[in-house]
Amino acid sequence: SQQGEEDPQALSIQEGENATMNCSYKTSINNLQWYRQNSGRGLVHLILIRSNEREKHSGRLRVTLDTSKKSSSLLITASRAADTASYFCATDSSGGSYIPTFGRGTSLIVHP
Amino acid sequence: GAGVSQSPSNKVTEKGKDVELRCDPISGHTALYWYRQSLGQGLEFLIYFQGNSAPDKSGLPSDRFSAERTGGSVSTLTIQRTQQEDSAVYLCASSLGGGRDTQYFGPGTRLTVL
Repeated sequence: SQQGEEDPQALSIQEGENATMNCSYKTSINNLQWYRQNSGRGLVHLILIRSNEREKHSGRLRVTLDTSKKSSSLLITASRAADTASYFCATDSSGGSYIPTFGRGTSLIVHP
Repeated sequence: GAGVSQSPSNKVTEKGKDVELRCDPISGHTALYWYRQSLGQGLEFLIYFQGNSAPDKSGLPSDRFSAERTGGSVSTLTIQRTQQEDSAVYLCASSLGGGRDTQYFGPGTRLTVL
């Protein structure tokens, strides 16, 4: 079963607006990572947040982690058309699984 | 430095034929993963190699799928007697250590089985 599940499945916004995507997971984790994928090809790592962290920033990206709710959010501020892509969260279970499991992703479309 | 490369980028084959997909990981990365992604879906784990340990094959969907990693570097994913449901993008990723390290993905191979 999927460990991480993103929502919404699809998000359509105008350039300049903020985009928020959420990820929920089922079991305790060590790390949670966000990836971006353009055009159904390779994924690009965006940011990693550890289970003892609550928030991380990278440029226009802000990631939060709430381990009590088993959820994470990815915020892209001042979105650009070039941010159009699918965004995935990946978790690795603290129970020993060394294989990150990915959700189905959020498809983001930013209209110019 | 060079990233993860995969070849071919696209492969069209006929049902029943065998195909081989290649992955060249980042030099020095001990962990290598294969995933499959069907249209509009998430990533489905297939197989994981870590150093000289026996690979974790728990994600392989059938015995038609196999993979090897030679010399701890290049990996080949083989699909025998391809079926139409095998059509997908096959993604390879490598990481410096184990699963808790950042994965670096290749561009994928788009497989179409007619």
